[in-house]
Amino acid sequence: DAKTTQPTSMDCAEGRAANLPCNHSTISGNEYVYWYRQIHSQGPQYIIHGLKNNETNEMASLIITEDRKSSTLILPHATLRDTAVYYCIVRISGGGADGLTFGKGTHLIIQP
Amino acid sequence: DVKVTQSSRYLVKRTGEKVFLECVQDMDHENMFWYRQDPGLGLRLIYFSYDVKMKEKGDIPEGYSVSREKKERFSLILESASTNQTSMYLCASSPGDWVGEAFFGQGTRLTVV
Repeated sequence: DAKTTQPTSMDCAEGRAANLPCNHSTISGNEYVYWYRQIHSQGPQYIIHGLKNNETNEMASLIITEDRKSSTLILPHATLRDTAVYYCIVRISGGGADGLTFGKGTHLIIQP
Repeated sequence: DVKVTQSSRYLVKRTGEKVFLECVQDMDHENMFWYRQDPGLGLRLIYFSYDVKMKEKGDIPEGYSVSREKKERFSLILESASTNQTSMYLCASSPGDWVGEAFFGQGTRLTVV
């Protein structure tokens, strides 16, 4: 069973900020929130991850609510190349020989 | 700059053939994974390996086997290919402690006819 809930699809205008929500109400204290995206016909690409503090890198920002039950991925200035399926995944920290469990993700379409 | 390399981008095989999908990573990662991706079903984990010669079944291992004789190489084997194994296959690797990200290959689109 998926641990996360995301909207099926979203539109965003080019140049605007894209805000992708994710609900993970059953997240455990030792689980990180990961975001990956998959551009058509390519393998998934890591974007960002976090535990409880907000995180920012060159690609995006991740905002996690104080209760950690939801998060938002922010692409600050969306371009047409950001059109992709975005996956929100929760996973325990540290070791563990198991894979990432992908849900259906959000299909983000950037409109010119 | 390529980190995870899959041997073929496209592959066409006949029903009943033995098929090998090869994956090589150059990051000295302990964990390696094989997924398949189908429309409407998303990515599903077939097998993973956390060390040389070690393997664990994922969610859909039936009809597949794997081999990891060297740390950098993880092979997916279809002993007798069937049409329902037509799919996109994705290989990935990650550090053993999962502190960092997982890297995915570009995928192999396998068609079994």
